[in-house]
Amino acid sequence: EADIYQTPRYLVIGTGKKITLECSQTMGHDKMYWYQQDPGMELHLIHYSYGVNSTEKGDLSSESTVSRIRTEHFPLTLESARPSHTSQYLCASSTSGEIYGYTFGSGTRLTVV
Amino acid sequence: AQSVTQLGSHVSVSEGALVLLRCNYSSSVPPYLFWYVQYPNQGLQLLLKYTSAATLVKGINGFEAEFKKSETSFHLTKPSAHMSDAAEYFCAVSDRNDKIIFGKGTRLHILP
Repeated sequence: EADIYQTPRYLVIGTGKKITLECSQTMGHDKMYWYQQDPGMELHLIHYSYGVNSTEKGDLSSESTVSRIRTEHFPLTLESARPSHTSQYLCASSTSGEIYGYTFGSGTRLTVV
Repeated sequence: AQSVTQLGSHVSVSEGALVLLRCNYSSSVPPYLFWYVQYPNQGLQLLLKYTSAATLVKGINGFEAEFKKSETSFHLTKPSAHMSDAAEYFCAVSDRNDKIIFGKGTRLHILP
């Protein structure tokens, strides 16, 4: 049973549309992450948050934005989707103080046409 | 700075044969090490982790990995491959500040 949920699982959208990818976790984790995964498998960290009202950009520059108003919710928004945004987006969470690794959601596969 | 190198982006083994996926790490501090598995159209799932207890770590689905400090390696093995093991596998390292660095992944193919 998943403790971190991503919606939608699949999304096909036209160029220029605004989209929000949802990510919610029920584990009370303080840290949350967004990864972009290219077809060659590699994971690129694009955003992370270490708590409410705290967000940081990751290693890969992204035109997306994130917010963290509630502990359990970490949505990612693209104001104007482009074909170059076509990818799989993975959300993850973790807790401070203990190393359990990250818990991942099932991902959102985004296609921009 | 930490890094992880996975040798071989694709590995093919016959069903019933030994699975060996290689991972070498670089870390300036004693690391935490992880292996994750990703099945098609899914997120990553933790297979096993090393956190400085036993150097031989057993995980789910019959996988295990051995931490070898002298070789800076954390290779993943399974004695007998099953068709259901076909997936992508990621090695990862943490500097104990909770930020995890992932390798580029190895796609495991199981031949009938």
